[in-house]
Amino acid sequence: AQSVTQPDIHITVSEGASLELRCNYSYGATPYLFWYVQSPGQGLQLLLKYFSGDTLVQGIKGFEAEFKRSQSSFNLRKPSVHWSDAAEYFCAVGADSNYQLIWGAGTKLIIKP
Amino acid sequence: DSGVTQTPKHLITATGQRVTLRCSPRSGDLSVYWYQQSLDQGLQFLIQYYNGEERAKGNILERFSAQQFPDLHSELNLSSLELGDSALYFCASSVGNQETQYFGPGTRLLVL
Repeated sequence: AQSVTQPDIHITVSEGASLELRCNYSYGATPYLFWYVQSPGQGLQLLLKYFSGDTLVQGIKGFEAEFKRSQSSFNLRKPSVHWSDAAEYFCAVGADSNYQLIWGAGTKLIIKP
Repeated sequence: DSGVTQTPKHLITATGQRVTLRCSPRSGDLSVYWYQQSLDQGLQFLIQYYNGEERAKGNILERFSAQQFPDLHSELNLSSLELGDSALYFCASSVGNQETQYFGPGTRLLVL
């Protein structure tokens, strides 16, 4: 069965520091991969997605993610975080065989001043 | 603004009651998805409709039902409400299947 793991429930990063949020998935074929962000009290907003092609994907707000098939990972990165990046980040995986997205449990990002 | 609208924003009701949540998808989107987000369960997929037909079912209770109307808006009906049904309910829409999902702002349901 497909699954998505975000191993870090919380991550604290100083403002201006670099960020990497981990996402690992379990699926036999190449999945569709997404990162969403949820600010407090808000809905989920798409940051970036990977369907095929270049494995390094650029998203909004200066985020990027890299699909590594050998590691079954799709980690989200940002070179320098801003206080406004404090939010919860969700990784999701989809596949051709069904219509559902499988969601990770989310990682809450805390920014230290 | 994703273009997906949900009403109401907040809903307070009592156990045993029934409520209806409404979602209007982005213009041109044929798929509507419903999700429940609670502190203990995280984000749970409930059900998907595509152009008026049920397409996929997730962890949706039998007390819950949904439909998508000819104008493509969708309603999620929650009945015999329990305290544990208190959660944020999100609607998302996409052009088709396996397309990017765009989320609405959610309906916060509180069952007392």
